[in-house]
Amino acid sequence: DVKVTQSSRYLVKRTGEKVFLECVQDMDHENMFWYRQDPGLGLRLIYFSYDVKMKEKGDIPEGYSVSREKKERFSLILESASTNQTSMYLCASNFGQQETQYFGPGTRLLVL
Amino acid sequence: SQKIEQNSEALNIQEGKTATLTCNYTNYSPAYLQWYRQDPGRGPVFLLLIRENEKEKRKERLKVTFDTTLKQSLFHITASQPADSATYLCALVEDSNYQLIWGAGTKLIIKP
Repeated sequence: DVKVTQSSRYLVKRTGEKVFLECVQDMDHENMFWYRQDPGLGLRLIYFSYDVKMKEKGDIPEGYSVSREKKERFSLILESASTNQTSMYLCASNFGQQETQYFGPGTRLLVL
Repeated sequence: SQKIEQNSEALNIQEGKTATLTCNYTNYSPAYLQWYRQDPGRGPVFLLLIRENEKEKRKERLKVTFDTTLKQSLFHITASQPADSATYLCALVEDSNYQLIWGAGTKLIIKP
């Protein structure tokens, strides 16, 4: 079974703090993705990575950065958290182009 | 503009009946379309994939249809059960890239 884990289920941070969200997958998947999910908006892609040290901007990369130093690990960084980054953050991975995506449980982030 | 739309209102269905959810898209030429299930506080879980040259796909009580002329996919759950209550997301992939483009999801409620 594919397993995608995320470092926290719930997180509360203050405006201006630096926030790290970590995602680990155990299936040797090439591709990893970070989404945010807000009510009525569906999943929006923040960044994705198709290989170690490679990253591509998604639809809403502003205010975020990512790091992929190892194949199994993909980190999302909020350099200076703002209240409009309060959201559910979902990590996903898959093996090849256009394959189904496997999701982690999500991190619900509240920025005060 | 490009859009993928699912009914934003919750769908209430009596147990035992067939639930039908709709996914419409405009200005895309999807190579294929996927359906996912999402339970509250959890990441989406893949259910079915249908390709552009397929009209219908089945898996147990689930059936998906894909009409590229109408630009629509229908997702059916037959003999619905309260355990089928969840939010169902559709996502499409165009030929040209890695990314899934997501609908906002439809909440399905199966009443006993």
